[in-house]
Amino acid sequence: GAGVSQTPSNKVTEKGKYVELRCDPISGHTALYWYRQSLGQGPEFLIYFQGTGAADDSGLPNDRFFAVRPEGSVSTLKIQRTERGDSAVYLCASRRTGEDGELFFGEGSRLTVL
Amino acid sequence: GESVGLHLPTLSVQEGDNSIINCAYSNSASDYFIWYKQESGKGPQFIIDIRSNMDKRQGQRVTVLLNKTVKHLSLQIAATQPGDSAVYFCAETRSYIPTFGRGTSLIVHP
Repeated sequence: GAGVSQTPSNKVTEKGKYVELRCDPISGHTALYWYRQSLGQGPEFLIYFQGTGAADDSGLPNDRFFAVRPEGSVSTLKIQRTERGDSAVYLCASRRTGEDGELFFGEGSRLTVL
Repeated sequence: GESVGLHLPTLSVQEGDNSIINCAYSNSASDYFIWYKQESGKGPQFIIDIRSNMDKRQGQRVTVLLNKTVKHLSLQIAATQPGDSAVYFCAETRSYIPTFGRGTSLIVHP
């Protein structure tokens, strides 16, 4: 596609459930980022992939959060045993290379944990 | 701790005026800075960037100024239009990871 695609756009789940959020980056972009944004706040870094490997996962809040990018394109953010505090918009962004430059963001997946 | 922040959470201007949005950063190791615009319900959109070896960069209607002495970044928007109404974020980058500030809401009155 022309831009970064994220699915689902909205997800409502119950506390304790497992959730997967998908990101389809711009074709050919090697770098992929996940951020989390709470209301009234800036995006908070979670994890950065360069190709298939996680170059930096220091932003993942705890071991309930995990992300993969097995073929260096689509990425999935996985959240186990969801908590109400996980409610936020999860943003994915991609960049053409691993160097500095413009990040292209998707429109986000809004997660609500009841 | 080190952080990226904004001086003004909300800025209201009249259409046609120039707007200035400020940002303070505290990590002297940051080497690349970006301004993003975010409209309601959408992801952030790149506006302009600047590297730490520069102090000014101009784009279309926008200028970014970097003052490394006081660790300050500003975004100037000329002839502000209603379509510029959004939340603006500055981000500092180290090791290819942008860290975002809280954001400033720009409201443009027609």
